[in-house]
Amino acid sequence: AQSVSQHNHHVILSEAASLELGCNYSYGGTVNLFWYVQYPGQHLQLLLKYFSGDPLVKGIKGFEAEFIKSKFSFNLRKPSVQWSDTAEYFCAVNPYGNNRLAFGKGNQVVVIP
Amino acid sequence: DTAVSQTPKYLVTQMGNDKSIKCEQNLGHDTMYWYKQDSKKFLKIMFSYNNKELIINETVPNRFSPKSPDKAHLNLHINSLELGDSAVYFCASSPRGTFEETQYFGPGTRLLVL
Repeated sequence: AQSVSQHNHHVILSEAASLELGCNYSYGGTVNLFWYVQYPGQHLQLLLKYFSGDPLVKGIKGFEAEFIKSKFSFNLRKPSVQWSDTAEYFCAVNPYGNNRLAFGKGNQVVVIP
Repeated sequence: DTAVSQTPKYLVTQMGNDKSIKCEQNLGHDTMYWYKQDSKKFLKIMFSYNNKELIINETVPNRFSPKSPDKAHLNLHINSLELGDSAVYFCASSPRGTFEETQYFGPGTRLLVL
């Protein structure tokens, strides 16, 4: 079945460490890609998105993600995390012609001060 | 000036009851969605409406019935609640429901069925 995979569901880091979260999808053809973040007790917020163009996209709060089409991946990165980055991070894929977001299972990231 | 709002925020009820969750968006969007997030945090789409018309209807028990009185509102009614319905339900909206759009999410409704 077509799916979105996120590994390392629980990540614990110290402040100033670098963060990379992997996202792989199994849909063929054109896709739109998203990373959403859910801070404790809050709703899902868009972190960044890729529709077309430069495969390296920059989002809010110093996050960036790189689309590698050959690897069906859209990995999220932040060079130096802060305590306030403690949250759940979800990768989502919108396959062309489908218009329904398919989500990965999320990464729970805890940043220790 | 919340963009996508849901009520109630928390809902605790007994098995067999009927309950409704309401969603409203003030973004002027044409398309609204319901997602279910289960206990393992897995988010899955349930329904989508475009301008009050049902567009997406995933494999969801027919105890779940969405209703869209106008394009700014999408309510979810659940009949004969079961333990497995316990989850967080998220409403979302997007401008026209086309491919190149971002979906904006509400704060979620945490449903617990006892």
